[in-house]
Amino acid sequence: AQSVTQPDIHITVSEGASLELRCNYSYGATPYLFWYVQSPGQGLQLLLKYFSGDTLVQGIKGFEAEFKRSQSSFNLRKPSVHWSDAAEYFCAVGRTGGGNKLTFGTGTQLKVEL
Amino acid sequence: EAEVAQSPRYKITEKSQAVAFWCDPISGHATLYWYRQILGQGPELLVQFQDESVVDDSQLPKDRFSAERLKGVDSTLKIQPAELGDSAMYLCASSPPAETQYFGPGTRLLVL
Repeated sequence: AQSVTQPDIHITVSEGASLELRCNYSYGATPYLFWYVQSPGQGLQLLLKYFSGDTLVQGIKGFEAEFKRSQSSFNLRKPSVHWSDAAEYFCAVGRTGGGNKLTFGTGTQLKVEL
Repeated sequence: EAEVAQSPRYKITEKSQAVAFWCDPISGHATLYWYRQILGQGPELLVQFQDESVVDDSQLPKDRFSAERLKGVDSTLKIQPAELGDSAMYLCASSPPAETQYFGPGTRLLVL
Protein backbone atom coordinates (compact mmCIF):
# COMPACT_ATOMS: atom_id res chain seq x y z
CA ALA A 1 0.00 0.00 0.00
CA GLN A 2 1.20 3.49 -0.74
CA SER A 3 1.96 5.86 2.13
CA VAL A 4 3.46 9.29 2.74
CA THR A 5 5.36 10.56 5.75
CA GLN A 6 5.87 14.20 6.54
CA PRO A 7 8.13 14.11 9.60
CA ASP A 8 7.75 17.76 10.57
CA ILE A 9 4.37 18.74 11.98
CA HIS A 10 5.32 22.39 12.52
CA ILE A 11 8.11 24.50 11.05
CA THR A 12 8.88 28.14 11.80
CA VAL A 13 11.15 30.21 9.58
CA SER A 14 11.98 33.88 9.36
CA GLU A 15 10.83 35.84 6.35
CA GLY A 16 13.54 35.81 3.72
CA ALA A 17 15.08 32.58 4.99
CA SER A 18 15.22 29.41 2.95
CA LEU A 19 12.74 26.59 3.45
CA GLU A 20 12.80 22.83 3.04
CA LEU A 21 9.80 20.64 3.86
CA ARG A 22 10.44 16.92 3.99
CA CYS A 23 8.37 14.19 2.37
CA ASN A 24 9.09 10.47 2.25
CA TYR A 25 6.91 8.04 0.37
CA SER A 26 6.38 4.32 0.15
CA TYR A 27 5.23 2.92 -3.16
CA GLY A 28 5.98 -0.26 -5.06
CA ALA A 29 6.41 1.26 -8.52
CA THR A 30 7.28 4.63 -10.03
CA PRO A 31 5.32 7.12 -7.99
CA TYR A 32 3.48 10.19 -9.09
CA LEU A 33 4.16 12.88 -6.49
CA PHE A 34 2.47 16.13 -5.62
CA TRP A 35 2.73 19.05 -3.23
CA TYR A 36 -0.41 20.96 -2.30
CA VAL A 37 -0.82 24.03 -0.09
CA GLN A 38 -3.84 24.79 2.08
CA SER A 39 -4.61 28.15 3.67
CA PRO A 40 -6.85 28.15 6.77
CA GLY A 41 -10.39 27.11 5.95
CA GLN A 42 -9.61 26.72 2.26
CA GLY A 43 -9.24 23.91 -0.25
CA LEU A 44 -5.96 22.56 -1.58
CA GLN A 45 -3.97 24.36 -4.27
CA LEU A 46 -1.51 22.43 -6.39
CA LEU A 47 2.05 23.74 -6.06
CA LEU A 48 3.86 21.25 -8.27
CA LYS A 49 3.89 17.66 -9.47
CA TYR A 50 6.35 15.00 -10.60
CA PHE A 51 5.36 12.38 -13.13
CA SER A 52 8.65 11.51 -14.86
CA GLY A 53 11.73 13.07 -16.44
CA ASP A 54 13.75 15.80 -14.77
CA THR A 55 13.89 15.07 -11.05
CA LEU A 56 13.92 18.77 -10.13
CA VAL A 57 10.50 20.26 -10.75
CA GLN A 58 9.47 23.87 -10.61
CA GLY A 59 6.14 25.00 -9.30
CA ILE A 60 4.14 28.10 -8.62
CA LYS A 61 5.04 30.81 -6.10
CA GLY A 62 8.77 30.11 -6.43
CA PHE A 63 8.63 26.58 -5.02
CA GLU A 64 10.60 23.62 -6.31
CA ALA A 65 10.91 19.98 -5.33
CA GLU A 66 13.45 17.27 -6.02
CA PHE A 67 12.59 13.60 -6.52
CA LYS A 68 15.24 11.27 -5.09
CA ARG A 69 14.37 7.66 -5.81
CA SER A 70 17.25 6.29 -3.72
CA GLN A 71 15.94 8.11 -0.65
CA SER A 72 12.23 7.74 -1.45
CA SER A 73 11.95 11.48 -0.92
CA PHE A 74 10.29 14.44 -2.59
CA ASN A 75 11.29 17.46 -0.53
CA LEU A 76 9.84 20.90 -1.17
CA ARG A 77 12.13 23.94 -1.19
CA LYS A 78 11.96 27.68 -1.53
CA PRO A 79 15.05 29.94 -1.44
CA SER A 80 13.36 32.91 0.25
CA VAL A 81 10.13 32.62 2.19
CA HIS A 82 7.49 35.36 2.17
CA TRP A 83 5.03 35.99 5.00
CA SER A 84 2.20 34.96 2.66
CA ASP A 85 3.66 31.45 2.45
CA ALA A 86 2.37 30.68 5.93
CA ALA A 87 -0.03 27.77 5.42
CA GLU A 88 -0.21 23.99 5.66
CA TYR A 89 1.64 21.94 3.09
CA PHE A 90 0.67 18.43 2.03
CA CYS A 91 2.70 15.91 0.10
CA ALA A 92 0.76 13.23 -1.80
CA VAL A 93 1.49 10.11 -3.84
CA GLY A 94 -0.69 8.62 -6.54
CA ARG A 95 -0.67 5.61 -8.85
CA THR A 96 -1.21 7.50 -12.06
CA GLY A 97 -1.01 11.13 -13.06
CA GLY A 98 -3.42 12.14 -10.33
CA GLY A 99 -6.44 10.51 -11.94
CA ASN A 100 -6.59 7.92 -9.26
CA LYS A 101 -6.52 7.70 -5.49
CA LEU A 102 -4.13 10.13 -3.84
CA THR A 103 -2.61 9.27 -0.49
CA PHE A 104 -1.71 12.34 1.54
CA GLY A 105 0.73 12.92 4.34
CA THR A 106 -0.42 14.47 7.60
CA GLY A 107 0.83 17.89 6.56
CA THR A 108 3.42 20.41 7.75
CA GLN A 109 2.22 23.68 9.24
CA LEU A 110 4.50 26.53 8.20
CA LYS A 111 4.76 29.66 10.32
CA VAL A 112 6.67 32.68 9.03
CA GLU A 113 8.15 35.13 11.49
CA LEU A 114 8.48 38.72 10.37
CA GLU B 1 -9.67 30.04 -14.63
CA ALA B 2 -12.20 27.23 -14.10
CA GLU B 3 -12.68 26.06 -10.54
CA VAL B 4 -14.43 23.32 -8.60
CA ALA B 5 -17.49 24.72 -6.82
CA GLN B 6 -18.80 23.43 -3.50
CA SER B 7 -21.73 24.40 -1.32
CA PRO B 8 -22.42 25.12 1.38
CA ARG B 9 -19.06 26.38 2.64
CA TYR B 10 -20.06 25.83 6.26
CA LYS B 11 -22.68 23.62 7.84
CA ILE B 12 -23.65 23.21 11.47
CA THR B 13 -26.02 20.40 12.32
CA GLU B 14 -27.14 18.38 15.28
CA LYS B 15 -26.35 14.75 15.83
CA SER B 16 -28.77 12.37 14.05
CA GLN B 17 -29.77 14.97 11.46
CA ALA B 18 -29.25 14.56 7.72
CA VAL B 19 -26.79 16.75 5.79
CA ALA B 20 -25.95 17.05 2.12
CA PHE B 21 -23.04 18.62 0.28
CA TRP B 22 -22.92 19.59 -3.37
CA CYS B 23 -20.01 19.71 -5.80
CA ASP B 24 -19.77 21.03 -9.35
CA PRO B 25 -16.52 19.91 -11.01
CA ILE B 26 -14.53 21.74 -13.65
CA SER B 27 -16.33 21.44 -16.97
CA GLY B 28 -15.20 18.40 -18.93
CA HIS B 29 -13.61 16.61 -15.98
CA ALA B 30 -14.86 13.03 -16.05
CA THR B 31 -13.40 12.02 -12.69
CA LEU B 32 -14.78 13.38 -9.42
CA TYR B 33 -13.58 12.67 -5.89
CA TRP B 34 -14.90 13.28 -2.40
CA TYR B 35 -12.33 13.47 0.40
CA ARG B 36 -12.75 13.89 4.14
CA GLN B 37 -10.15 15.87 6.08
CA ILE B 38 -10.21 15.63 9.84
CA LEU B 39 -8.56 18.53 11.65
CA GLY B 40 -4.81 18.07 11.78
CA GLN B 41 -4.74 15.32 9.18
CA GLY B 42 -4.41 14.98 5.43
CA PRO B 43 -7.43 14.34 3.21
CA GLU B 44 -8.65 10.76 2.84
CA LEU B 45 -10.59 9.55 -0.17
CA LEU B 46 -14.22 8.64 0.48
CA VAL B 47 -15.46 7.97 -3.05
CA GLN B 48 -14.31 8.33 -6.65
CA PHE B 49 -16.56 8.61 -9.70
CA GLN B 50 -15.70 8.08 -13.35
CA ASP B 51 -18.56 9.84 -15.13
CA GLU B 52 -21.63 8.54 -13.28
CA SER B 53 -20.06 5.28 -12.09
CA VAL B 54 -18.44 4.67 -8.73
CA VAL B 55 -14.83 3.55 -9.17
CA ASP B 56 -13.77 3.38 -5.53
CA ASP B 57 -15.92 3.68 -2.41
CA SER B 58 -13.95 1.33 -0.21
CA GLN B 59 -13.50 3.97 2.53
CA LEU B 60 -17.06 5.29 2.43
CA PRO B 61 -19.05 4.39 5.60
CA LYS B 62 -21.97 3.04 3.65
CA ASP B 63 -24.27 2.65 6.63
CA ARG B 64 -24.62 6.42 6.86
CA PHE B 65 -22.90 7.98 3.84
CA SER B 66 -24.12 8.00 0.26
CA ALA B 67 -22.88 9.70 -2.87
CA GLU B 68 -24.32 10.12 -6.32
CA ARG B 69 -23.42 11.67 -9.63
CA LEU B 70 -26.52 10.95 -11.64
CA LYS B 71 -25.71 12.70 -14.92
CA GLY B 72 -21.96 12.44 -14.64
CA VAL B 73 -21.55 16.12 -13.90
CA ASP B 74 -22.29 17.49 -10.42
CA SER B 75 -22.38 15.32 -7.33
CA THR B 76 -24.01 15.14 -3.91
CA LEU B 77 -22.60 13.59 -0.76
CA LYS B 78 -25.10 12.81 1.99
CA ILE B 79 -24.73 11.81 5.61
CA GLN B 80 -27.71 10.37 7.48
CA PRO B 81 -27.67 10.34 10.42
CA ALA B 82 -24.76 12.62 11.25
CA GLU B 83 -22.54 11.68 14.17
CA LEU B 84 -20.18 13.80 16.25
CA GLY B 85 -17.19 12.12 14.62
CA ASP B 86 -18.29 13.33 11.18
CA SER B 87 -17.14 16.87 12.00
CA ALA B 88 -14.51 17.55 9.35
CA MET B 89 -13.78 19.36 6.09
CA TYR B 90 -15.32 17.64 3.06
CA LEU B 91 -13.34 18.33 -0.10
CA CYS B 92 -14.38 17.71 -3.67
CA ALA B 93 -11.84 17.38 -6.46
CA SER B 94 -12.04 16.73 -10.19
CA SER B 95 -9.68 15.73 -12.96
CA PRO B 96 -9.59 14.63 -16.56
CA PRO B 97 -8.88 10.88 -16.73
CA ALA B 98 -5.47 10.03 -15.24
CA GLU B 99 -4.55 13.67 -14.74
CA THR B 100 -3.93 16.06 -11.88
CA GLN B 101 -6.71 16.59 -9.34
CA TYR B 102 -8.01 20.09 -8.68
CA PHE B 103 -9.74 20.80 -5.39
CA GLY B 104 -12.69 22.95 -4.44
CA PRO B 105 -12.81 25.20 -1.35
CA GLY B 106 -14.44 22.52 0.79
CA THR B 107 -17.42 22.31 3.12
CA ARG B 108 -16.65 22.51 6.82
CA LEU B 109 -19.12 20.43 8.83
CA LEU B 110 -19.65 20.77 12.55
CA VAL B 111 -21.90 18.23 14.25
CA LEU B 112 -23.18 19.24 17.69
